[in-house]
Amino acid sequence: KQEVTQIPAALSVPEGENLVLNCSFTDSAIYNLQWFRQDPGKGLTSLLLIQSSQREQTSGRLNASLDKSSGRSTLYIAASQPGDSATYLCAVGTDSWGKFQFGAGTQVVVTP
Amino acid sequence: EAGVTQSPTHLIKTRGQQATLRCSPISGHTSVYWYQQALGLGLQFLLWYDEGEERNRGNFPPRFSGRQFPNYSSELNVNALELEDSALYLCASSWTGTVMNTEAFFGQGTRLTVV
Repeated sequence: KQEVTQIPAALSVPEGENLVLNCSFTDSAIYNLQWFRQDPGKGLTSLLLIQSSQREQTSGRLNASLDKSSGRSTLYIAASQPGDSATYLCAVGTDSWGKFQFGAGTQVVVTP
Repeated sequence: EAGVTQSPTHLIKTRGQQATLRCSPISGHTSVYWYQQALGLGLQFLLWYDEGEERNRGNFPPRFSGRQFPNYSSELNVNALELEDSALYLCASSWTGTVMNTEAFFGQGTRLTVV
């Protein structure tokens, strides 16, 4: 059974610092991995989707890497801003989109 | 272009009642997914509908059911509500669930409270 772990569970950084969020998974046979952002009480906003054949994806200040063999993905957020404060979730696609397995998330606070 | 829309935003029901949650996918998307996010727990997969049929189901009792309409919108029904059904219910859609590398987009959720 695929298990997804996100460490740390919470993170607080001063504005301007780079953020590094980790996601690990136990079964390397994945189709893709997607990073989401969730604001309190709200739905999920898609940040980046990495196909299983890709090593990384970039969008603006965000960069996500994928190492299937070691079961790891890392989300980098450059030059953090208070507006980046949210919970970040990674989700691993296994045999179908319906069985996306989510991690518990990393709660990020960026202080001005 | 409109994103995934869910209604109602909030729903308060009494234990034992039935709740109906609705989801409209992004135009052109044929797959709809339902997830439950209970307080303190991660997202748990509930159901996946594609082209009007239930394709996959999570580890939830049969009182959680749903359907997908010809226009690809979807309903989630929860019968015989229990207090622990209180959660944020999220709907997502994608172009098609049979293509593995499509991106999923989520709605803002329905907050169900059972009292």
